[in-house]
Order: sequence, then structure tokens, then C-alpha cells
Amino acid sequence: IAGITQAPTSQILAAGRRMTLRCTQDMRHNAMYWYRQDLGLGLRLIHYSNTAGTTGKGEVPDGYSVSRANTDDFPLTLASAVPSQTSVYFCASTSTSGSYNEQFFGPGTRLTVL
Amino acid sequence: GQNIDQPTEMTATEGAIVQINCTYQTSGFNGLFWYQQHAGEAPTFLSYNVLDGLEEKGRFSSFLSRSKGYSYLLLKELQMKDSASYLCAVEDSNYQLIWGAGTKLIIKP
Repeated sequence: IAGITQAPTSQILAAGRRMTLRCTQDMRHNAMYWYRQDLGLGLRLIHYSNTAGTTGKGEVPDGYSVSRANTDDFPLTLASAVPSQTSVYFCASTSTSGSYNEQFFGPGTRLTVL
Repeated sequence: GQNIDQPTEMTATEGAIVQINCTYQTSGFNGLFWYQQHAGEAPTFLSYNVLDGLEEKGRFSSFLSRSKGYSYLLLKELQMKDSASYLCAVEDSNYQLIWGAGTKLIIKP
């Protein structure tokens, strides 16, 4: 693989179910991010990780959890999905050792919670 | 609070020039990014400004005025493939990106 991959591409989920969105990068980037994108709103940061083993909360963390066991993987879990979590989810990564922190994005996961 | 403002939608003609403005109020400033996002796809990086002035990259240029909290993206010789949303994002003092809602650019023949 080259870049960032996300799985699944899309998913329809019943409210109350647990769901994990997967994200993997092969660029050895230290920092990774999860965003949600809703119509009329900018990308909103859910959680981030500056390096393997550490995570932090973004602007809209409630209802979501993440882990960063290694450099490459950064899964996002919805413990008990609610309809307001219907959105497009993007994973991104960057290397913070460069002159600027350009973020590279995965293709996104379109999630519908009914 | 933190705020990034950009027009919701703009229309331009193929071959013409268009300027997309972005104003920001953020807690700290470590640079401003422009991204392009085609419908149904992921954002892709276009430009980065951290110092005042104009950065030119082919048909695209980006300008920054830190004192005014203002940037613009200039697209020249517009092509139909430039129809997309253009996202302005500011890196704040915590090195997190704060995103505008994006400007949908419609190119007409």
C-alpha cells in the first residue's frame, strides 16, 4: 500500500451498535488524526495522536475512542453509535519533522447510523 | 473562539481567474494551508503560507497577510477540473489545524 487506507469505504449501522473504523498508513508519519466532515461545516477533529502510544482529544471527542499501539495504525471506535454520528470520517497523517505539517488524507469512510 | 470564514460558493468561467478569500481568528498562528477537495474524495494539499506575501505554484497562488488575518487563493486559467471545494485551514498554537467550511467553486464553460 502507498499512503493511507481506510476501511470500510461505507457502512450502514443500527443505532446502539459498536463500530471500529480502521486507518493504516505506510509513510512512517508520527502524527495521525481523525476528522468528521458534515455538510456546511469544516473538518472537525475528533482525536489525534502525536506519536505511537499517545492520544489526545480534539474538538468533538464524545462518543469516540482511539488507540495508537504502533506507528501505522490508528483505529477509531464508536462504542454505541447514535444517528448524530452519521458523517464522512477522514483519517489523516503527517510528519512533524518537516518545515511544515502537511496532512495526508485517507479516502474516507461514509457512515450512516439509523 | 476560533473562526475561519470563507465564501460558501463561487462561480467562474473556464479560462478566467478567480480569487477565494479566507479570514481567520485563531489562538496562535503557525501557518495557513489551502486544500482542494473534489466531490466524494479526500482533501489534497495545495499550498502553505507562514510569512506575509504571495506564494506561486503554477496556475495556483496563495497570499497571506498575518496582520489582517487574511489569505486568498488565486486560480488562473481555470479548467473544468478545477471545479471542487477549496478548504482554508490555520495551524494554531497547539499545532492543530482549524478548518473553514470550504468554498465550492463551480466552473462554467
